[in-house]
Amino acid sequence: DAGITQSPRYKITETGRQVTLMCHQTWSHSYMFWYRQDLGHGLRLIYYSAAADITDKGEVPDGYVVSRSKTENFPLTLESATRSQTSVYFCASSDRLRNTGELFFGEGSRLTVL
Amino acid sequence: SQELEQSPQSLIVQEGKNLTINCTSSKTLYGLYWYKQKYGEGLIFLMMLQKGGEEKSHEKITAKLDEKKQQSSLHITASQPSHAGIYLCGADGNNYGQNFVFGPGTRLSVLP
Repeated sequence: DAGITQSPRYKITETGRQVTLMCHQTWSHSYMFWYRQDLGHGLRLIYYSAAADITDKGEVPDGYVVSRSKTENFPLTLESATRSQTSVYFCASSDRLRNTGELFFGEGSRLTVL
Repeated sequence: SQELEQSPQSLIVQEGKNLTINCTSSKTLYGLYWYKQKYGEGLIFLMMLQKGGEEKSHEKITAKLDEKKQQSSLHITASQPSHAGIYLCGADGNNYGQNFVFGPGTRLSVLP
């Protein structure tokens, strides 16, 4: 199905383990974003990408790594998970060429770090 | 960096009542976006405002951007249970829309 999908939807891991959250979009949008949502903090931008092989840090990038080898994929990796990274992670994409400003969001990945 | 504040933090209204949610920016807004999030789900785009004084409506939801482009309000007329959720305002940090940031959200409950 067309759209933006995240996987896994739910993940429980232990402190120190590596975790990768996947994001895939079928619209060929140039821009992709990763946010985390926490109570009291709202949505905070972790990383974004303007195109394949172009990524940049957002507000809270520490402890995260991203890559964008293909336009449609934007995986987020926690190299050594910490409890403070327990959160709901949202991926989004946007076609800035149309300048509508609309971000299309995935359904979220709920990560728990024990 | 762009900072957005929203008020109120949460709101409980009786079905049929009108309500207003506010979003204030620390900097001039190049574009102001309103999104709605149902509990446990992703965000759904509602509308975008770009010009000072602009007003847009969709069904029973009206959003306005003030002339100075630093404040926006979202007004819901005759609220329904389907309006319940979290409303977030978002803004481009610059003209390229790369640094897209969000306010903390307003949690709306509508009692039947």
